[in-house]
Amino acid sequence: EIVLTQSPGTLSLSPGERATLSCRASQSVSNSYLAWYQQKPGQAPRLLIYGASSRAPGIPDRFSGSGSGTDFTLTISRLEPEDFAVYYCQQYGSSPELTFGGGTKVEIK
Amino acid sequence: QVQLQESGPGLVKPSETLSLTCAVSGYSISSSYYWDWIRQPPGKGLEWIGNIYHSGSTYYNPSLKSRVTISIDTSKNHFSLKVNSVTAADTAVYYCARRGIIEGGPILYWGQGTLVTVSS
Repeated sequence: EIVLTQSPGTLSLSPGERATLSCRASQSVSNSYLAWYQQKPGQAPRLLIYGASSRAPGIPDRFSGSGSGTDFTLTISRLEPEDFAVYYCQQYGSSPELTFGGGTKVEIK
Repeated sequence: QVQLQESGPGLVKPSETLSLTCAVSGYSISSSYYWDWIRQPPGKGLEWIGNIYHSGSTYYNPSLKSRVTISIDTSKNHFSLKVNSVTAADTAVYYCARRGIIEGGPILYWGQGTLVTVSS
């Protein structure tokens, strides 16, 4: 089973700043099948990035993903007020099984 | 547009069986894709429970495998989850979901989630 470790646990930033979130896998993620989700309170998660770096339909270009192997990054270039939320990484390289990271909370400083 | 809606009891007694159904609209469940169940304890992260392929093959999280059954009813276009011998640790928001992008891809469609509380 692939274990995903996200860091930091909480990121305190101001609107307009750049956010960099990390996701590290315990073993290489096949085909870079790594996704990122955003979750706001009381809502289901929303897919942002798939395949490590492809934006899902309708996702603004301030969201970008990078990485391969065991190290992946989600970058939000300039934080908008609606971007303050919890972000999860997920691997589907061992599909049909899935695993999620523990999440990073991006909060307003 | 694909839509998913969970339904079932919001309160289950310890040691009993949790049963949920996910009604799918906008797509025929027998056509393709994996159909997943995911849960989230209050204030905590996401946990994959398992899934069923459109053909009926099932895959479960090893940590839950002994207590979980996922089934599919193509005539009703829905799939279901049963968790046996529940404890307070099974209290969570339960989501049903469908993959996208590619057949074994990430979760593209989510239900709104339903809170199930395990308590006497």
